[in-house]
Amino acid sequence: QKEVEQNSGPLSVPEGAIASLNCTYSDRGSQSFFWYRQYSGKSPELIMFIYSNGDKEDGRFTAQLNKASQYVSLLIRDSQPSDSATYLCAVNGNDYKLSFGAGTTVTVRA
Amino acid sequence: DGGITQSPKYLFRKEGQNVTLSCEQNLNHDAMYWYRQDPGQGLRLIYYSQIVNDFQKGDIAEGYSVSREKKESFPLTVTSAQKNPTAFYLCASSFGQGFGYTFGSGTRLTVV
Repeated sequence: QKEVEQNSGPLSVPEGAIASLNCTYSDRGSQSFFWYRQYSGKSPELIMFIYSNGDKEDGRFTAQLNKASQYVSLLIRDSQPSDSATYLCAVNGNDYKLSFGAGTTVTVRA
Repeated sequence: DGGITQSPKYLFRKEGQNVTLSCEQNLNHDAMYWYRQDPGQGLRLIYYSQIVNDFQKGDIAEGYSVSREKKESFPLTVTSAQKNPTAFYLCASSFGQGFGYTFGSGTRLTVV
């Protein structure tokens, strides 16, 4: 059973601050890592993916991957009220399925 | 525009009734998936299909059935055997191993 664990929320940050989301996974053979954002009542949307160790930046989002530690994180810089959502970590191993974490809810305080 | 379409957006089911949720994609994706999400909960996999005319059970397949007769379509039937079907149902598709999913907008099913 592949497991994906995310830091428990909710996470409340002031506007303009950095939100840091963490995710660990149990399957050492995992190859692909994804972050989805889900607004309340809506479906998840893909915001970041990362395949190699290190950092990957896209606008205000940075994904960090450390395969040796089986750890992936998402940083949201200059947090905005529109970033208030649940963030899902997803991991893919050697099959067609993604394993999802339970999600971390982020609230950005104006 | 390419995308994945779920219908209907809202669905109401009477006790003992079977209902079918539609999922269509024009992304040329090989794989398709059905997930269930309960309030405040994560995603639970119901069924998935890697290729036409083939599908596999996920973690919570009991009370559900699917078909994959066309690459573009992966309908989900919620049968009367599913005792607690009220949930948000999400369909997704992908190119396969190593690729992320694209999700549809979801169907919210309520038992009345």
